[in-house]
Amino acid sequence: GIQVEQSPPDLILQEGANSTLRCNFSDSVNNLQWFHQNPWGQLINLFYIPSGTKQNGRLSATTVATERYSLLYISSSQTTDSGVYFCAVEQRGGSEKLVFGKGTKLTVNP
Amino acid sequence: DADVTQTPRNRITKTGKRIMLECSQTKGHDRMYWYRQDPGLGLQLIYYSFDVKDINKGEISDGYSVSRQAQAKFSLSLESAIPNQTALYFCATRLQGYGYTFGSGTRLTVV
Repeated sequence: GIQVEQSPPDLILQEGANSTLRCNFSDSVNNLQWFHQNPWGQLINLFYIPSGTKQNGRLSATTVATERYSLLYISSSQTTDSGVYFCAVEQRGGSEKLVFGKGTKLTVNP
Repeated sequence: DADVTQTPRNRITKTGKRIMLECSQTKGHDRMYWYRQDPGLGLQLIYYSFDVKDINKGEISDGYSVSRQAQAKFSLSLESAIPNQTALYFCATRLQGYGYTFGSGTRLTVV
């Protein structure tokens, strides 16, 4: 099945800093989503982005499907951005199911 | 009201007990999924359903069963709970070709 690798596994920032999270995947995908899991365990959908670039406030994401990677950009980070960021993909031609990476744990210090 | 509602939010149960986790959605999506998350890990797929009569096993279905009672309802059962089924359980829905929407999760502890 498809493999999803996220980097870095852990990231510590000072409030106001920018960061880039990376997701590499091993095969063509129909679907790619970025999620934020907050400290209470809730999964928040950030982007549905199988290709192209999207922006939502301080967050933006880019997926280069031909090169099998996606990037999540966080600008001017805030303490509320802390949590785990997951990339999840659905393999093209495979079963319709989302496969998750292991996540990037982000800690933003005041 | 949330689009995808999971009940209960938290549950503590004893080893050997039967327990059911429920999921309902108001999005009109045909596809529904149950995922499990262990501490510090990503989510793993337990079962998924494309419609009421189409139910499929995921990666880690052993020890679990499901019921799709209606398009809007998808329940997960643990027939005889064991401690290593302690985890955070998520229900998700989608329409084909669109993104997934997740519920708020059920935190299950088996003692």
